[in-house]
Amino acid sequence: EAGVVQSPRYKIIEKKQPVAFWCNPISGHNTLYWYLQNLGQGPELLIRYENEEAVDDSQLPKDRFSAERLKGVDSTLKIQPAELGDSAVYLCASSSMTRGEQFFGPGTRLTVL
Amino acid sequence: GEDVEQSLFLSVREGDSSVINCTYTDSSSTYLYWYKQEPGAGLQLLTYIFSNMDMKQDQRLTVLLNKKDKHLSLRIADTQTGDSAIYFCAESSRGSQGNLIFGKGTKLSVKP
Repeated sequence: EAGVVQSPRYKIIEKKQPVAFWCNPISGHNTLYWYLQNLGQGPELLIRYENEEAVDDSQLPKDRFSAERLKGVDSTLKIQPAELGDSAVYLCASSSMTRGEQFFGPGTRLTVL
Repeated sequence: GEDVEQSLFLSVREGDSSVINCTYTDSSSTYLYWYKQEPGAGLQLLTYIFSNMDMKQDQRLTVLLNKKDKHLSLRIADTQTGDSAIYFCAESSRGSQGNLIFGKGTKLSVKP
């Protein structure tokens, strides 16, 4: 069974540029999560989807961050415009309704110059 | 609010046992998890324990839960160099609406 897929793995951009990250969850997992992991820290939840509905986006900085999960499968997280402080690893995870364990993708390491 | 604390570093010799400790504050925790993160990789789920259990064993891994003291530990028997990584403790609870709250991670170094 394929795991959570994320792309790109690495992204380097200049500040004020837009950037987007893509996630494909494990087949059959209807819950999808985006996490932010700063250096030396544990992941922090940005947004959680149940199917195509964002059920918890309280930690998403909505002035510059947006996310979508059309058709309840793949998801995209966007930052526009990026700031220096956005440099971090962006992790995607998924889980099924019947079993709550979250499985993580490899992450996208973003560097903003 | 919810908080999860871990010591930042642990160093052991190959073949010894490693014990990684974690404390949490939310008394409504339902599940507690241990994840492993190798350099440049995502988080790998190692094991988890339901809050009404006090121990769970899975091959070389033993999880102990002291719910009264809100203390969780992960014991790795016969630690190998391949176990070198960062280990994260995480809890989910009614207070976190089922979302995972992570500690900062414990970096385990295994010396040959």
